[in-house]
Formats: sequence, structure tokens, C-alpha cells
Amino acid sequence: KNEVEQSPQNLTAQEGEFITINCSYSVGISALHWLQQHPGGGIVSLFMLSSGKKKHGRLIATINIQEKHSSLHITASHPRDSAVYICALSSNTGNQFYFGTGTSLTVIP
Amino acid sequence: NAGVMQNPRHLVRRRGQEARLRCSPMKGHSHVYWYRQLPEEGLKFMVYLQKENIIDESGMPKERFSAEFPKEGPSILRIQQVVRGDSAAYFCASSPPYGGAYNEQFFGPGTRLTVL
Repeated sequence: KNEVEQSPQNLTAQEGEFITINCSYSVGISALHWLQQHPGGGIVSLFMLSSGKKKHGRLIATINIQEKHSSLHITASHPRDSAVYICALSSNTGNQFYFGTGTSLTVIP
Repeated sequence: NAGVMQNPRHLVRRRGQEARLRCSPMKGHSHVYWYRQLPEEGLKFMVYLQKENIIDESGMPKERFSAEFPKEGPSILRIQQVVRGDSAAYFCASSPPYGGAYNEQFFGPGTRLTVL
């Protein structure tokens, strides 16, 4: 079983829709990260959080430590949001990063 | 303040040759991480380094792969005697000197290695 599970694997949405991507994990963490990888391959760190909720523009990330679950929400989605979104964990028992397999999002105009 | 820089962006090697991938962290960052992304797969942790120290190399293949982060100059990921299975995108990330692996990481653009 992977330490990090993401769902869905693939997601297609109409422009303007509200999008939710889920991440569940099974290890103790010090922080959870949401990354965005564009079709060209570049990776951008969107959020790092260890509790509660963070908001940046149209993006919102939440985490529930007790349930070991995090969600990434995109409000008023736009075609430029099309990318792979990756959930990653900093382990609290060492220096490792565990990655989810990513959610491929396509937003159609 | 330039971001994390990696070079080359694309590298082609024949089987048996050596590949050297370079990563210059963001200014002021002293922690470097290397990750590998195989075709159609997710990112995998390889190694975590601080200046002149390997902190965690538990994700590195046991043979042919090595990494260093010298006091001066970029971090180097070295792959000896490359094989076709080494073809992948190799990403480097850096973070500030405080917080270690618990800190936000900034990613470079990656080096795409193709082994013929």
C-alpha cells in the first residue's frame, strides 16, 4: 500500500466548475505539500500545511490530521489550471518525501 | 533572486556512458533534494543533502548512482554506466537552512535524461 493515495487519478471539468482533489495518507507527517506540474514538466509548490486551511487566490488547501486527509479545491476553474496536482508528505520520522501519483486535471473552455 | 537552476535541461547518453546532472539551489538555500520521475510514473525521492553532507540517501539505487553537494558549486547527481532504465526526468529542489525536510521546497525545471 502506498503511503499517499490521491483521488481521482484523472479529472475533466468545465470552465468555472468547483474542483476537489483528495489526498489520504498512512504515515505520520510533519507537513503536507500540494504541488502543481504543468505539461512542460515544471513543478511549482502550491501549499505547505500542517493543520487547518490555507488559501491562495482561487486555490484552497485543507488538512485533517486526525483523519489523515487533505483536499485541494479550485474555485472558478480555468483552462490554465490544467495540470497534474501532486500531494506530497514530509515524514515526521526522517527526512523523506512521499509522493502521491498525481491527479491529472483538464479544464475545458 | 534566481530560482533553482538545473543543467543541462536535456541530456542524451549512450548505454555505458556517465551522466552528470547539476543543480544550483536558490540563493541562501543550503538543503538540496533530488527526485526522479520515470515515464508515466510519479516522483520518487532519491537523496537529501546539505553542504558537504549526505543526510538521507535511502532512495538512491545502490549501484552506479552518487550525489554530492560541495562547499562551493552546484550539487551533482552522477550516474555511471547508464542503462536505458535510467531514462527519466530528474528534479532538484532546494530549501532554506532552517526546518530541514519540513520546509517548503522550491523545484528546478528538471533534467530529462535519455539513454539510447
